[in-house]
Formats: sequence, structure tokens, C-alpha cells
Amino acid sequence: AQTVTQSQPEMSVQEAETVTLSCTYDTSESDYYLFWYKQPPSRQMILVIRQEAYKQQNATENRFSVNFQKAAKSFSLKISDSQLGDAAMYFCALKGPSGTYKYIFGTGTRLKVLA
Amino acid sequence: NAGVTQTPKFQVLKTGQSMTLQCAQDMNHEYMSWYRQDPGMGLRLIHYSVGAGITDQGEVPNGYNVSRSTTEDFPLRLLSAAPSQTSVYFCASSYGQVLGTQYFGPGTRLTVL
Repeated sequence: AQTVTQSQPEMSVQEAETVTLSCTYDTSESDYYLFWYKQPPSRQMILVIRQEAYKQQNATENRFSVNFQKAAKSFSLKISDSQLGDAAMYFCALKGPSGTYKYIFGTGTRLKVLA
Repeated sequence: NAGVTQTPKFQVLKTGQSMTLQCAQDMNHEYMSWYRQDPGMGLRLIHYSVGAGITDQGEVPNGYNVSRSTTEDFPLRLLSAAPSQTSVYFCASSYGQVLGTQYFGPGTRLTVL
């Protein structure tokens, strides 16, 4: 069975500082996809970044980057130069190989950004 | 493109009532799914569909029905509402298994009294 674990229910970061959100997962597949989604108070789920397991290079999107450690089954999200608008729930998600459709989500980390 | 739309945004039901949550997407996505979000539990998959006429159960399907008669629409039916079904419901869609990225609707907050 696939699982996703986010062990930090809540994190705080000072504005302009850097914060890292942790995610570990378990799967027996060698091909899979990992995602970070952001859910602000508006409730809308917004894709932040995605990583294909076959790619060794860590994905980056502007101030957001991941540290993908395949052997350790770890997929952390780094937010640089944190902004007040980054305050939200962040969910890590895992999808199996091509041809499968189920996504498994972690329980989320609430990020607070302090001015 | 409107993306993924859901109606209603809020709903209050009494125990035993039935209702249908509507979901539509205009991106010609093959895959559509329904999740429920409860505090401290993340998103849990209720039902999903990989194309018109094809549906399957997710992690928590009991008490819910789905059908997919068109590519665009994927309604979720609550047969006999129970307080345990009080939750926020999200519909999502994705283009295909290779790309994998899901796009979410704005959610429906359902309260069952």
C-alpha cells in the first residue's frame, strides 16, 4: 500500500526567511509522481510543484524547490524568501505509475508566516 | 476555460436526506475524482473515473454513488446523508496518467445535522 506522511502539523517562518516542509512516502513502485499542493484560506487547492520519480534533478518553481531523496523516500519542500501570501496548508501527494490514477495525500502542514 | 466547477459551495442537510454534488470540467480531462477533506486527515479519495462510463471506488466509498455519462460531468450522490458525511468535498480532474497533475474545484462545504 502507498502511504504519505507529513510529520509537521504546523510550521512558522519569519517573512523573507526560508522554511522546509517535510514529507516521506512509501511505495513499492519504481515509477511514480510526487506533488506539493497549497491550500490557502480560500480553500482552493493549488499545485505548487511536481516531481517525476525517474528524474534525478530536483524540481524548482521560482521560490519553491524540492529535495527529492528517492532512496530515503523523502520529498521535502523548500520555500525561499517567504511571503505573507505563502501562509496556507501544504499537502504532499503521491501518484503511482503511468496507467494508474489514484493519488494519496498526506495530512498537511499548516504554514504561518510572521511579519 | 472555467476549469473545474462545483455546485453548490455550501449545503446543509438533515440526516436521511439525499442530494447530488455537481462537478464539471471543460478541459477535456479523462480522469475525474471526488475527495473529502476532514480536519487532520488530509484528502481521502471517495470515487474516481478514468473516462465516460467507467467509475471505481476509492478509499472511502460507502454512502456515495457516482456516474460518468459524459467526459465533462461527474456528479457525486449522497444516498441517505449521515452526520459522519459532514465534510468539505473536492472534485478534481487531470488530463492523463502521464502528466498526472490534478486540477481541483473550489470545494463544497456540506453539513449534515
